[in-house]
Amino acid sequence: SQKIEQNSEALNIQEGKTATLTCNYTNYSPAYLQWYRQDPGRGPVFLLLIRENEKEKRKERLKVTFDTTLKQSLFHITASQPADSATYLCALRGEAAGNKLTFGGGTRVLVKP
Amino acid sequence: NAGVTQTPKFRVLKTGQSMTLLCAQDMNHEYMYWYRQDPGMGLRLIHYSVGEGTTAKGEVPDGYNVSRLKKQNFLLGLESAAPSQTSVYFCASSEIGPSGFVLGNEQFFGPGTRLTVL
Repeated sequence: SQKIEQNSEALNIQEGKTATLTCNYTNYSPAYLQWYRQDPGRGPVFLLLIRENEKEKRKERLKVTFDTTLKQSLFHITASQPADSATYLCALRGEAAGNKLTFGGGTRVLVKP
Repeated sequence: NAGVTQTPKFRVLKTGQSMTLLCAQDMNHEYMYWYRQDPGMGLRLIHYSVGEGTTAKGEVPDGYNVSRLKKQNFLLGLESAAPSQTSVYFCASSEIGPSGFVLGNEQFFGPGTRLTVL
């Protein structure tokens, strides 16, 4: 069966360091992968999309890699700040119809000053 | 633009009661979705719609019904609420790409409805 795994343990990191989150998947051949940020009590907010033919994508202090051979995406937050503290979700498109996404369980990041 | 709005924000029901959650979007998006989010389970798709008048089942549709009578609104109904439906419900919308081909467009989420069924 299809499965998306993110580290359920919270990631505690010191301000200024790089936070690295992983998203592993099985039994998917996703055309693309998305990352979202979710703050407590709020809905997810889109951050980045990376397609299957792209190895790396950057947006400001964020970097995403996509390795379809390893079936893994890495999400990096460089020079992390306390404001980056949130839960980060990865999402894959399974079936093409309806632009449906399947989400991982998310990883909580806590950046300490 | 308000984006995606959800009504109500909180609700407590007794087992067997019914209710309707309303989602509205002002971005003229074709696609709309209903998810539920439970601790440790992530977001799971309940139902979705690819346009006005159309609906389709997602991953966990049992116990829910939906309607999309107007393009901007997507309603989620619980006919007979059960404690297992205690959850946070999120609505989302997305647009389609050129020529109707979806190019992985982002989904815009509402603020959520926290539902407790006693």
